[in-house]
Amino acid sequence: DAGVIQSPRHEVTEMGQEVTLRCKPISGHDYLFWYRQTMMRGLELLIYFNNNVPIDDSGMPEDRFSAKMPNASFSTLKIQPSEPRDSAVYFCASRDRGYEQYFGPGTRLTVT
Amino acid sequence: AQSVTQLDSHVSVSEGTPVLLRCNYSSSYSPSLFWYVQHPNKGLQLLLKYTSAATLVKGINGFEAEFKKSETSFHLTKPSAHMSDAAEYFCVVSEGTGRRALTFGSGTRLQVQP
Repeated sequence: DAGVIQSPRHEVTEMGQEVTLRCKPISGHDYLFWYRQTMMRGLELLIYFNNNVPIDDSGMPEDRFSAKMPNASFSTLKIQPSEPRDSAVYFCASRDRGYEQYFGPGTRLTVT
Repeated sequence: AQSVTQLDSHVSVSEGTPVLLRCNYSSSYSPSLFWYVQHPNKGLQLLLKYTSAATLVKGINGFEAEFKKSETSFHLTKPSAHMSDAAEYFCVVSEGTGRRALTFGSGTRLQVQP
């Protein structure tokens, strides 16, 4: 298996623009997680899905953030409008009914 | 509620000497505990996991950790550090049966001196 796939790996955008991050989980995994990593706050869980349904979005910082999972093999995290403080590395992870989460390589977002 | 505290933000060792990265946890239920490693500009990789089986857990690359319920600790050790071990290490807790998401510690940056 190719593992969790995230795209793009790097994104540079200007403040106010819409940003869409993409994730393809490992086939057969029914949980998907979005995390954000910054120097100031470390790793934070933003939202997670089970069987394509959002279960807990309490970590989503503002209404500017939204996430969808239209099918078992694809999820998006959208920021609209983006702000400089959104600059971070965004990780997607997936797991099956076991305990281990498998992380993607991350998307480094820079908002100028 | 669950939480995890990594007691050292930075640890520096010499190559060939033992490594100890300390972690204490708090959990209302029987926790699952993990150590993840993150090399620079890379994603996170699972080193080892404890899920209520043996209290001494062996992981990849010679790392191991011991679950001590009485001390609420899950320290990570390695007998002999290698230069390639230099990375950020995260202690992670998940409550109950693991259905919930993970709660990450703040991380410990391990430096290995030649």
